[in-house]
Amino acid sequence: QVQLVQSGAEVKKPGASVKISCKASGYPFSDYFLHWLRQAPGQGLEWMGTVNCRNNRTTYTQRFQDRVTMTVDTSTNTVSMELNGLTSDDTAVYYCARDVKSQLLLFCFDPWGQGTRVTVSS
Amino acid sequence: ELVLTQSPGALSLSPGDRATLSCGASETISNTFVAWYQQKAGQPPRLLMSGTSNRATGIPDRFSGSGSGTDFTLIISRLEPDDFAVYFCQHYGGPQFTFGPGTRVD
Repeated sequence: QVQLVQSGAEVKKPGASVKISCKASGYPFSDYFLHWLRQAPGQGLEWMGTVNCRNNRTTYTQRFQDRVTMTVDTSTNTVSMELNGLTSDDTAVYYCARDVKSQLLLFCFDPWGQGTRVTVSS
Repeated sequence: ELVLTQSPGALSLSPGDRATLSCGASETISNTFVAWYQQKAGQPPRLLMSGTSNRATGIPDRFSGSGSGTDFTLIISRLEPDDFAVYFCQHYGGPQFTFGPGTRVD
């Protein structure tokens, strides 16, 4: 079945970087856009950016433009997201999510990874 | 900027009850691009409905969606214990997509 499996929880100090992976299976990997979203404790969902798994092109939301990098490894069907310059405001659960339609960028998300909790604390 | 509002903020119901969740848009939107998600505590969101009324894979038919213009509705015909969760509506179709604040069904 279509599945996204993310890497495990992380605890980081302020100023550090975190890299989270998202391994896809059960569908033609290169045909879909993959997105990253996050959800801070008790808050709503915040979209961070997307990557075209066919040509590695990325689009980041302006808020994260300067400190996020999303990469694709087609040999392992894995997308990674690295966030630099962490602050306590980055404490959140980070999700990868596939776009719902092949070869289209609709910003409708299905399925989602299980989430990766990132805690930033000194 | 499009704003989605959801009502009520919370619903207190029992298994077997019917749940009616509303999503209102600040301007007319295409029903082609309205989705609903379910999120249980400690879990990622799960897509229930896209295109207003098209159930996602594996979603039981006790979930139904309807609406047009500025008013959209998700109905759960007979609540099961597994349905108690937060439900979000979403307008999608481009990078200016937005989520509603959610309705908690407990």
